[in-house]
Amino acid sequence: GDSVTQMEGPVTLSEEAFLTINCTYTATGYPSLFWYVQYPGEGLQLLLKATKADDKGSNKGFEATYRKETTSFHLEKGSVQVSDSAVYFCALSDQGAQKLVFGQGTRLTINP
Amino acid sequence: GAVVSQHPSRVICKSGTSVKIECRSLDFQATTMFWYRQFPKQSLMLMATSNEGSKATYEQGVEKDKFLINHASLTLSTLTVTSAHPEDSSFYICSALSPLAGAGDTQYFGPGTRLTVL
Repeated sequence: GDSVTQMEGPVTLSEEAFLTINCTYTATGYPSLFWYVQYPGEGLQLLLKATKADDKGSNKGFEATYRKETTSFHLEKGSVQVSDSAVYFCALSDQGAQKLVFGQGTRLTINP
Repeated sequence: GAVVSQHPSRVICKSGTSVKIECRSLDFQATTMFWYRQFPKQSLMLMATSNEGSKATYEQGVEKDKFLINHASLTLSTLTVTSAHPEDSSFYICSALSPLAGAGDTQYFGPGTRLTVL
């Protein structure tokens, strides 16, 4: 079945560092890909998404490009802030936004 | 917009009792809602898909008689954990599907309910 693998956390960076969180997927079709963020004490929020190959999703300085050839959707940000500290989940869906399959989550901590 | 609430946020109960968790879409109508379970430091696992006015569709391995789901209106779905046991202790999260986000549907997530069964 479909699956998502994220880099293991936790990840700790200093403010203004460059961030990459790796995400690869296995799917039988051509899924939509998502990054969700979960801030402490809050529910998951959609950060960005891409629905087809070579699409780039972006939001709040974060970017991820749908790479079909490497089955990847790595999350990047050029300069992280303390407020970016959260748990980040990569996810896919073969059916629009229905039946999301999540990766295990990566906890990110940004130190001032 | 697209806010989803859950109630309660935290519940502690004795083994053998039943617990009901509510999930509400506050500013949109959701024909489809989802229930997830999240174990510590692990990912979200989809338990069931709830469609308004019809029976929920459960994922493989989820006991439908133990986790009762009712989606009685376009803004409310409930999850009842019946005869709860300590192994049911977990973080339960709901989401609602909204077509309002523009291109494609988007799931909006509630803040979760922490269930502890003693």
